Amino acid sequence: DIQMTQSPSTLSASVGDRVTITCRASQSISSWLAWYQQKPGKAPKLLIYKASSLESGVPSRFSGSGSGTEFTLTISSLQPDDFATYYCQQYNSYSLTFGGGTKVEIK
Amino acid sequence: QVQLVESGGGVVQPGGSLRLSCAASGFTFSSYGMHWVRQAPGKGLEWVAFIRYDGSNKYYADSVKGRFTISRDNSKNTLYLQMNSLRAEDTAVYYCAKDAGGGVGDYWGQGTLVTVSS
Repeated sequence: DIQMTQSPSTLSASVGDRVTITCRASQSISSWLAWYQQKPGKAPKLLIYKASSLESGVPSRFSGSGSGTEFTLTISSLQPDDFATYYCQQYNSYSLTFGGGTKVEIK
Repeated sequence: QVQLVESGGGVVQPGGSLRLSCAASGFTFSSYGMHWVRQAPGKGLEWVAFIRYDGSNKYYADSVKGRFTISRDNSKNTLYLQMNSLRAEDTAVYYCAKDAGGGVGDYWGQGTLVTVSS
């Protein structure tokens, strides 16, 4: 199975900060990567698919980049609603795997 | 609007069985693949299983292969997960998710909690 490693596991930031989360795949997954946001007690919400495509309705302050084995999720200006946990997920094959998550906390 | 509503969770003893359901509405259920994804308390997301739109192909995580069975009834717009030989480590919130294409979940249910405990 393809392993997905996210860093950092926790990130402390302030409103207005630029935030970057990294996700690394154990082997090349081309651009078959998605990013999700999850708030406590809620289901995950799709933000980005195919590494850099913004899901409909998601604010443009979210962006994704990368290909192969290294990917990033960037929030250009952190808003109060963005404090949550973020997961990457590869879908290169139908043994899908998620990263361990990055919790974005208020500094 | 798309709605996915899971049901069937509860407390079950180790070695027991449970069947989860996911009722879908707001989209053409028979045209989309569907996933089950779980989340153990305080832990991250773990993909469990996927079924193609017509039920022709099914895929499972190694951790549940041989114990869990994913199925669907397109006439009832319902997805199922039959879970047998349950273990303590299967304790989790189980989500169903609509596949946007290729393995991305674009809509998710609210989840149903399964607790495996004696």
